[in-house]
Amino acid sequence: SAVISQKPSRDICQRGTSLTIQCQVDSQVTMMFWYRQQPGQSLTLIATANQGSEATYESGFVIDKFPISRPNLTFSTLTVSNMSPEDSSIYLCSVQRTANEQFFGPGTRLTVL
Amino acid sequence: RKEVEQDPGPFNVPEGATVAFNCTYSNSASQSFFWYRQDCRKEPKLLMSVYSSGNEDGRFTAQLNRASQYISLLIRDSKLSDSATYLCVVNRRGGTSYGKLTFGQGTILTVHP
Repeated sequence: SAVISQKPSRDICQRGTSLTIQCQVDSQVTMMFWYRQQPGQSLTLIATANQGSEATYESGFVIDKFPISRPNLTFSTLTVSNMSPEDSSIYLCSVQRTANEQFFGPGTRLTVL
Repeated sequence: RKEVEQDPGPFNVPEGATVAFNCTYSNSASQSFFWYRQDCRKEPKLLMSVYSSGNEDGRFTAQLNRASQYISLLIRDSKLSDSATYLCVVNRRGGTSYGKLTFGQGTILTVHP
């Protein structure tokens, strides 16, 4: 598996502000992903964080709302921009290791007032 | 139709019982299959991969039927610590879909004394 940390673990934010979430992995990985888990729901993939190029977004998610950086093979950030209460969710990063298995960070619990 | 469908439960079983979860997926191009476990307020953790020949890990047995696009998980001799949400997960592979996980909505299991 991989040791994955996320910062912050939780935050409460005001509507209209932005929050940047960090994901750090203990070793280099090729594939990193960002997911969202809305209250009472399962996980939905937001985007694939590509090192050295723009992130690849899933349908329903756009770069202006969820800009992503991936400066190297161990680190990525996700920004939730111009937040509204509907953005209240848990945001999780994941990494893919061998045999297509993915491992998740502990998540960032975001509440938007 | 959802890409991955599970019976949400909840399943309430006594200790020692055998319980089975079912899952269907709609994308015939899906290549890899997994069961994840998610405890309350925690990130999903990989329970086991699911192989075409079926596989077993202690009290847990997973089966895959590609023709029917059906996945199952059997838990024998349930323990209190098995109480969690079980997520059926499918990994699309190939082209731009490499590594992208699609989650079912989860099946809630409660094991009681």
